[in-house]
Amino acid sequence: KAGVTQTPRYLIKTRGQQVTLSCSPISGHRSVSWYQQTPGQGLQFLFEYFSETQRNKGNFPGRFSGRQFSNSRSEMNVSTLELGDSALYLCASSLATGLGYGYTFGSGTRLTVV
Amino acid sequence: AQSVTQLGSHVSVSEGALVLLRCNYSSSVPPYLFWYVQYPNQGLQLLLKYTSAATLVKGINGFEAEFKKSETSFHLTKPSAHMSDAAEYFCAVSAGQADDKIIFGKGTRLHILP
Repeated sequence: KAGVTQTPRYLIKTRGQQVTLSCSPISGHRSVSWYQQTPGQGLQFLFEYFSETQRNKGNFPGRFSGRQFSNSRSEMNVSTLELGDSALYLCASSLATGLGYGYTFGSGTRLTVV
Repeated sequence: AQSVTQLGSHVSVSEGALVLLRCNYSSSVPPYLFWYVQYPNQGLQLLLKYTSAATLVKGINGFEAEFKKSETSFHLTKPSAHMSDAAEYFCAVSAGQADDKIIFGKGTRLHILP
């Protein structure tokens, strides 16, 4: 079956712009989580959605937002981009939240802010 | 709150030698523990997970990990390293309760020496 699909794979944006990243989970998976990965900070949790509801949120400013649609696809949006937002953004899907299910990750979207 | 500490951001082993990647966790409740591997320009792939069924967990590619509650450790091992094992490895913890997110360690980059 198809894995987790993230689009686009690469993105270059200018400081101050906004960006929307997309994630399609594995069919049947209802939980989608987003992480920011940078060399200095490692993997930092952004947020988690389950059945269109945000269940968890990390310590990121309000410029970072997300949503989940009825088909479980998810988008995350970053407004007023800063140079420090340059990172690999990873989406992960799971059958449900918690309970040790573990995640299946997409290949990520590499965002570069110039 | 849960946390994970991976000892050593870089580990080098010779091809054919034992691989040992260290992970210690902190959790206020019995945890679920995971090891993930990340190859360049890819997302994370689940190697194995501990969900309290057995303390010695076998994963893919010949890796295994042992849960030691008294030491709060979940070290990853492989008897004989292959060149293809060169990658970054992440230990992660979850409290396993509904709405609980997975927290990742900073990662250990494994180098295989010919």
